[in-house]
Amino acid sequence: GESVGLHLPTLSVQEGDNSIINCAYSNSASDYFIWYKQESGKGPQFIIDIRSNMDKRQGQRVTVLLNKTVKHLSLQIAATQPGDSAVYFCAESPGTYKYIFGTGTRLKVLA
Amino acid sequence: DTGVSQDPRHKITKRGQNVTFRCDPISEHNRLYWYRQTLGQGPEFLTYFQNEAQLEKSRLLSDRFSAERPKGSFSTLEIQRTEQGDSAMYLCASRPDRAISEAFFGQGTRLTVV
Repeated sequence: GESVGLHLPTLSVQEGDNSIINCAYSNSASDYFIWYKQESGKGPQFIIDIRSNMDKRQGQRVTVLLNKTVKHLSLQIAATQPGDSAVYFCAESPGTYKYIFGTGTRLKVLA
Repeated sequence: DTGVSQDPRHKITKRGQNVTFRCDPISEHNRLYWYRQTLGQGPEFLTYFQNEAQLEKSRLLSDRFSAERPKGSFSTLEIQRTEQGDSAMYLCASRPDRAISEAFFGQGTRLTVV
């Protein structure tokens, strides 16, 4: 069935270093991908998105890379800060109106 | 606050009781979603509305669950005869009627069934 998975359940990064969070997806029909950040007790917050006709998209301190050949998505956070500590989810939209989420990666920023 | 609003934020109920949650989406958003999230998991799709029409219900949504969006604005999610397995965070999201766009989530309603 359709699934969105994450390679690492927990990622610990030193403050100031770059973080890379990876995600694999299985539906070749997915044409839109989103990264969300979720802090404890809060709803998911949009970070950045990318369409399937792009390989890379940059935001403020964040970059999303899409490799359709191997169905892989990554989120890069530059100069990781304590406020970046949260659970990060990738989600895919397989040409429909809904989003399919993975199980999430917890990012811990070490001081 | 112009974001997605959910009420209540927390609900503790006894098994067998009925509960109802409310979601107020961003005003110009036609599309509204309900998701359920358990600890350590990603949100799971429950149901979707376009305006007042409920267009899809997940197999996760048993007969005890019902959702409405009567005027195409706010939505309610009711769970009848709650079970302990219903304990979860219930998230509402909305998005505009563009072909591709992100969904904006509310803060969720945390349900605990005791």
